[in-house]
Amino acid sequence: GIQVEQSPPDLILQEGANSTLRCNFSDSVNNLQWFHQNPWGQLINLFYIPSGTKQNGRLSATTVATERYSLLYISSSQTTDSGVYFCAVEEGGSYIPTFGRGTSLIVHP
Amino acid sequence: NAGVTQTPKFQVLKTGQSMTLQCAQDMNHNSMYWYRQDPGMGLRLIYYSASEGTTDKGEVPNGYNVSRLNKREFSLRLESAAPSQTSVYFCASSAVKNTEAFFGQGTRLTVV
Repeated sequence: GIQVEQSPPDLILQEGANSTLRCNFSDSVNNLQWFHQNPWGQLINLFYIPSGTKQNGRLSATTVATERYSLLYISSSQTTDSGVYFCAVEEGGSYIPTFGRGTSLIVHP
Repeated sequence: NAGVTQTPKFQVLKTGQSMTLQCAQDMNHNSMYWYRQDPGMGLRLIYYSASEGTTDKGEVPNGYNVSRLNKREFSLRLESAAPSQTSVYFCASSAVKNTEAFFGQGTRLTVV
């Protein structure tokens, strides 16, 4: 099956800093999503982005499907951005979102 | 709009006991999934149902059974719980393949 690797595994920031999270995948995909798991464990949809670039406030994401990676940008980070960020992909012909192991982000005030 | 609802939110079982985790979605989605999340492992697929009446194994199906009761509901059953099944379980749904998936709030299960 498809392999999904996220980097870095851990990230610690001061409030106000910018960051880039990366998701690499081993095969072509028809679907890619970014999720934020908050400290209460809830998985929140951030972006549905199989290709191209999207922005939502301080967050933006870019997927370059031909090169098999996606990037999540967080600008002017806030303490509420803390949590784990997951990338999930769905390879061609599959119904199954496959997750990476996530990037754990801590934002200090 | 409730989205994906899981019950219960917390459960403690003794080894060997059985239980069923319930999941319901109100978005008229075709596909439903059960995942487990363990520390450092991300989410791993247990079973999925691409449409009403079908179920298939995922990456870690051993020790579990599922039922797609109707289009709305997809249950996960542990017949004889083991400590290795201590985990957080998530149910998810999506309209069809290649569309956005939505997750329930999770069930934290402890087997002692």
